[in-house]
Amino acid sequence: DTQMTQSPSTLSASVGDRVTITCRASQSISNWLAWYQQKPGKAPKLLIYKASNLESGVPSRFSGSESGTEFTLTISSLQPDDFATYYCQQYNSYPWTFGQGTKVEIK
Amino acid sequence: QVQLVQSGSELKKPGASVKVSCKASGYTFTRYSMAWVRQAPGQGLEWMGWINTNLGNPTYAQGFTGRFVFSLDTSVSTAHLQISSLQAEDNAVYYCARVLPGYGLDVWGQGTTVTVSS
Repeated sequence: DTQMTQSPSTLSASVGDRVTITCRASQSISNWLAWYQQKPGKAPKLLIYKASNLESGVPSRFSGSESGTEFTLTISSLQPDDFATYYCQQYNSYPWTFGQGTKVEIK
Repeated sequence: QVQLVQSGSELKKPGASVKVSCKASGYTFTRYSMAWVRQAPGQGLEWMGWINTNLGNPTYAQGFTGRFVFSLDTSVSTAHLQISSLQAEDNAVYYCARVLPGYGLDVWGQGTTVTVSS
């Protein structure tokens, strides 16, 4: 199975900050990586697919990038609505696997 | 609009069974596979597996074989998750999610909370 190691587990930031979350795959997954946002009591929401493609309707302050087996989610200017938990997921091979999640908290 | 609506919360005794439903609307049900994801209290997302809604064949992740069954009722565009011999470790929110090839899981149900308690 492909392991996804996500960091940090918690991140404290202020409105307007630039935020970066990293996900590393244990083996090559090409660019078959998605990022999801989850708010308390709600279902996850797809933000980015194929490592760097923004899902329709997602604000442009969200972006994704890749370098080999390391993937990054960046929020260019954190907004109040962005305080949530973020998960990466590889869908290159079964079983699809998720990172452990990164909780973005208010500083 | 594309939507997945899941059945309501369940409270079950240890050893009982539960069946969670996931009704799809707004698209052709058999064109996209359906995945199931578990989230234990305070924990992350865990891939349970998926079912091909066209062929009806399920694929289970390790740890979700034996007591877990994915099924379909294509006549009403609904996927089901049945869990038998419920244990305390099955306490979780269970999500269904549409598999969009190349995209991942693009639409999610609202989640169904299963509570196992005597």
